[in-house]
Amino acid sequence: KQEVTQIPAALSVPEGENLVLNCSFTDSAIYNLQWFRQDPGKGLTSLLLIQSSQREQTSGRLNASLDKSSGRSTLYIAASQPGDSATYLCATLGGTYKYIFGTGTRLKVLA
Amino acid sequence: DGGITQSPKYLFRKEGQNVTLSCEQNLNHDAMYWYRQDPGQGLRLIYYSQIVNDFQKGDIAEGYSVSREKKESFPLTVTSAQKNPTAFYLCASSGGLAGGGEQFFGPGTRLTVL
Repeated sequence: KQEVTQIPAALSVPEGENLVLNCSFTDSAIYNLQWFRQDPGKGLTSLLLIQSSQREQTSGRLNASLDKSSGRSTLYIAASQPGDSATYLCATLGGTYKYIFGTGTRLKVLA
Repeated sequence: DGGITQSPKYLFRKEGQNVTLSCEQNLNHDAMYWYRQDPGQGLRLIYYSQIVNDFQKGDIAEGYSVSREKKESFPLTVTSAQKNPTAFYLCASSGGLAGGGEQFFGPGTRLTVL
């Protein structure tokens, strides 16, 4: 059974720092891995989708990598801003066509 | 504007009542999902549907029911059998693997039991 873990659970950094959020999964037989952002009381916003055949995806200041063999994905945020403060979740899609979510990393960027 | 709408945004339920949460999408997606989110916990899958007139139980289906009579609609009913329904409910859709498997979410419904 797929398990997805995100460490750390919470992170507080000063504005301008580059940071890395981690996502680990136990079953490497995935179709894709998706990163989301969630603001308090809101739905999830898709940030990046990495297919199983891809190594990374980039959008603006965000870069996500995928290493299936080690069961890891990282989300890199460059030059963090207070507006980046949110909870970041990762999710994998496996053979059951169900998405398995991590519990998220709560990020606070201090001005 | 393509997207997923959920209504109502806030919902209050009295003990013993059934309530229905609405989810509509105009993305032409085949697959739709209902999740429950509790404070400090990840998303837990309640029900999902890969195609019209078909749906499967997720990890926490007890006390919930769904229907999928139209491609664009996937309503969730929280029955009186659900003992602890206070939570944030999220609806999502996906175009399936042919569409890359990307999942999109609605804005959520917060349900509170009075």
